[in-house]
Amino acid sequence: KAGVTQTPRYLIKTRGQQVTLSCSPISGHRSVSWYQQTPGQGLQFLFEYFSETQRNKGNFPGRFSGRQFSNSRSEMNVSTLELGDSALYLCASSFGRGGTDTQYFGPGTRLTVL
Amino acid sequence: DQQVKQNSPSLSVQEGRISILNCDYTNSMFDYFLWYKKYPAEGPTFLISISSIKDKNEDGRFTVFLNKSAKHLSLHIVPSQPGDSAVYFCAASKSGGYQKVTFGTGTKLQVIP
Repeated sequence: KAGVTQTPRYLIKTRGQQVTLSCSPISGHRSVSWYQQTPGQGLQFLFEYFSETQRNKGNFPGRFSGRQFSNSRSEMNVSTLELGDSALYLCASSFGRGGTDTQYFGPGTRLTVL
Repeated sequence: DQQVKQNSPSLSVQEGRISILNCDYTNSMFDYFLWYKKYPAEGPTFLISISSIKDKNEDGRFTVFLNKSAKHLSLHIVPSQPGDSAVYFCAASKSGGYQKVTFGTGTKLQVIP
């Protein structure tokens, strides 16, 4: 069974640009969550999508947005990039049955903003 | 507001000894707790979980203890092996809610051969 895949794995952008990250969940999983990992901050929850609908949202500015397609693949978009957006962005998939569902993470996309 | 806290950024343990990783939480609505392990250049992988109706859960060398009154949980690894060297994240959620998991900042465990 293929795991969660994320593309691209590495990305370098400059301030003010926008970026789109992609996540393909495990087959059969309908929930995709996105997290930002920075040193000293752990994993910060961005948002969760289930059946193409955003079910949960973390405390991030509106520059961070996402969407989910009918095949459960998800994209995350960050507009007007800032230096502080440099981080590892992780997506995780699950069946989406609730708070006890095990999440399976992808390897992440390392975003560097110059 | 860090609702899940791991106050030790790093921990070094000799191979064969016990590793104890600690985690505190502040939100009394959390009733499901998890530990994830993360190697460099990989995503976190699920390790073990515990529901608030229990105070202990074991899986092989890994045991998680939950003290609800103290809002504290710990992960014990016995015996520790060099392959256990990784960053460990404590996480918490509400079992009845949607998938919103709150993670701690992580503890980097180094097991010395």
